[in-house]
Amino acid sequence: DAGVIQSPRHEVTEMGQEVTLRCKPISGHDYLFWYRQTMMRGLELLIYFNNNVPIDDSGMPEDRFSAKMPNASFSTLKIQPSEPRDSAVYFCASSLGVLSSNEQFFGPGTRLTVL
Amino acid sequence: AQSVSQHNHHVILSEAASLELGCNYSYGGTVNLFWYVQYPGQHLQLLLKYFSGDPLVKGIKGFEAEFIKSKFSFNLRKPSVQWSDTAEYFCAVRGNTDKLIFGTGTRLQVFP
Repeated sequence: DAGVIQSPRHEVTEMGQEVTLRCKPISGHDYLFWYRQTMMRGLELLIYFNNNVPIDDSGMPEDRFSAKMPNASFSTLKIQPSEPRDSAVYFCASSLGVLSSNEQFFGPGTRLTVL
Repeated sequence: AQSVSQHNHHVILSEAASLELGCNYSYGGTVNLFWYVQYPGQHLQLLLKYFSGDPLVKGIKGFEAEFIKSKFSFNLRKPSVQWSDTAEYFCAVRGNTDKLIFGTGTRLQVFP
């Protein structure tokens, strides 16, 4: 398996533009997580899905952020409009199992810079 | 609410020194505990995990961690570090939900 795939790996955009980050989880995994990593706040969980359904989006910073999972093999995280404070590395992770001790597998991340 | 504290923010060691990184969590129920490592420019990778049983858990690359329930701790250890261990280390806990709660991370620098 290729692991969790994220695209793009780097994104540079200007304030006010829409940004879409993409994630393909490991085949067969039923959980998908979006995290944001910054120097100031560390690793924060934004939202997670189980069987394509959003379960907890309490970590989504504000209405400018939205996430979808239209099918088991694809998820997007969208920021509209983007702001400089959104600059961070965004990680996607997937795992298998319910209330289990299964490992989350992380993707390589998307480094977002908003100018 | 669950939380994780990593008290060491930045640790600097020479090669062959012993390592211990602290991790404390707050949650009264059954927990799963994890240590992840992030090498420079890379994504997070699992070092080791504790579910149940033997509280001393051995992971990859010579790392181990000990779960001490009475202290709510899960400290990471390695007897002799190498330059290649330079990375950021994250402790994480999962309680009665599917969410992993991460600590703020400890940056380890190992000098030859």
